[in-house]
Amino acid sequence: LAKTTQPISMDSYEGQEVNITCSHNNIATNDYITWYQQFPSQGPRFIIQGYKTKVTNEVASLFIPADRKSSTLSLPRVSLSDTAVYYCLVGTGGFKTIFGAGTRLFVKA
Amino acid sequence: NAGVTQTPKFQVLKTGQSMTLQCAQDMNHEYMSWYRQDPGMGLRLIHYSVGAGITDQGEVPNGYNVSRSTTEDFPLRLLSAAPSQTSVYFCASSWNPTGTHEQFFGPGTRLTVL
Repeated sequence: LAKTTQPISMDSYEGQEVNITCSHNNIATNDYITWYQQFPSQGPRFIIQGYKTKVTNEVASLFIPADRKSSTLSLPRVSLSDTAVYYCLVGTGGFKTIFGAGTRLFVKA
Repeated sequence: NAGVTQTPKFQVLKTGQSMTLQCAQDMNHEYMSWYRQDPGMGLRLIHYSVGAGITDQGEVPNGYNVSRSTTEDFPLRLLSAAPSQTSVYFCASSWNPTGTHEQFFGPGTRLTVL
């Protein structure tokens, strides 16, 4: 199972772009990269998923280099409500999904 | 759709007591799972199921039992509660257990074992 490494915490200001990088050196050929967001006292919420290159949705972008050993979640123009914990997951789906400690993002006014 | 529902929201047990945490989903998802989250930590997988009648162990299964008699329900049983099981428990479901997937999480059950 591919293990992921993310920064423990990050600070930002409203309106800035935030990039959270996740390392996954042991990613397997069939693995996808998935990011979740968790607010206090709530369950995680799916943000975005990708396999290679770039994926964009209405919430975020996910950049994956050719070697797939890392990925970067990009949040454009963050607001106070984006303060949360962000988890990077690597795997082939629900089987044995591993959540690391995540990255605590704190957005300041 | 109610999505994934969990009951109760809060529970206090004494050491040695048993109880069942309920989880239900109305999205006709085949895959369901239980996680626990300790303070300041990520989620750890307890048990999961890929369909009715099929369950398997996750990362931290000891002290917990599950069964999956219907697609909708996936209860988690604590056999003999211990203080180490004090945690927040999340149930999740997904339509596809392999390949791309998006897990939908319930609101959680906060359990305290005295």
